[in-house]
Amino acid sequence: QVQLVQSGAEVKKPGASVKVSCKASGYSFTDYYMHWVRQAPGQGLEWMGIINPSGGSTSYAQKFQGRVIMTTATSTDTVYMELRNLTSEDTAVYYCARDLHLVVGQFDPWGQGTLVTVSS
Amino acid sequence: QSVLPQPPSASGAPGQRVTISCSGNRSNIGSSPVNWYQQLPGTAPKLLIYNTHQRPSGVPDRFSGSKSGTSASLAISGLQSEDEGDYYCAAWDDSLGGPYVFGTGTKVTVL
Repeated sequence: QVQLVQSGAEVKKPGASVKVSCKASGYSFTDYYMHWVRQAPGQGLEWMGIINPSGGSTSYAQKFQGRVIMTTATSTDTVYMELRNLTSEDTAVYYCARDLHLVVGQFDPWGQGTLVTVSS
Repeated sequence: QSVLPQPPSASGAPGQRVTISCSGNRSNIGSSPVNWYQQLPGTAPKLLIYNTHQRPSGVPDRFSGSKSGTSASLAISGLQSEDEGDYYCAAWDDSLGGPYVFGTGTKVTVL
């Protein structure tokens, strides 16, 4: 079955970077774009950006421009999201989600989420 | 990054109908398909409605989506206890590659 499995929880200090992975299985990895979405504790969903696993082209939300890098490894069917210069406001659960139809923007499925805690 | 306003909460007794609104503008809901996501407590979001009114396989027909102009709605009929959770609308904004925006979220409580 189609599945996205993310890396485990991380604890980082302010100013550090974090890199979260998302391994896809059950479908042709390069056929579908992948998004990253985060959710701060008790808050709503926030879109971070999108990557095309075939070729690696990206588009980031303006808020994260210059601080986020999304990459892909077709040899392992894995996408990565690196966020730099972390602050306490980056404490959140980070999700990857496959886009089934780019024009529609239908995210299905989602990874299980990775909790990133930023604390001194 | 803009968000789409939703009522913070909605509730109903088992079996009743609940409707959630999602407000946008011409650059998002007014020009793009709307999707709805369900997030049950402690779990990742799940696609509930896509392309404004279509249901993925496995989603009961108690859930329905619609759009009129720059606003969208999600209706849950025959409310069940397992429907308790948060519901988010979402759509592309402005153009492909532009920001994907989520609604503020609505917490549904079954009384």
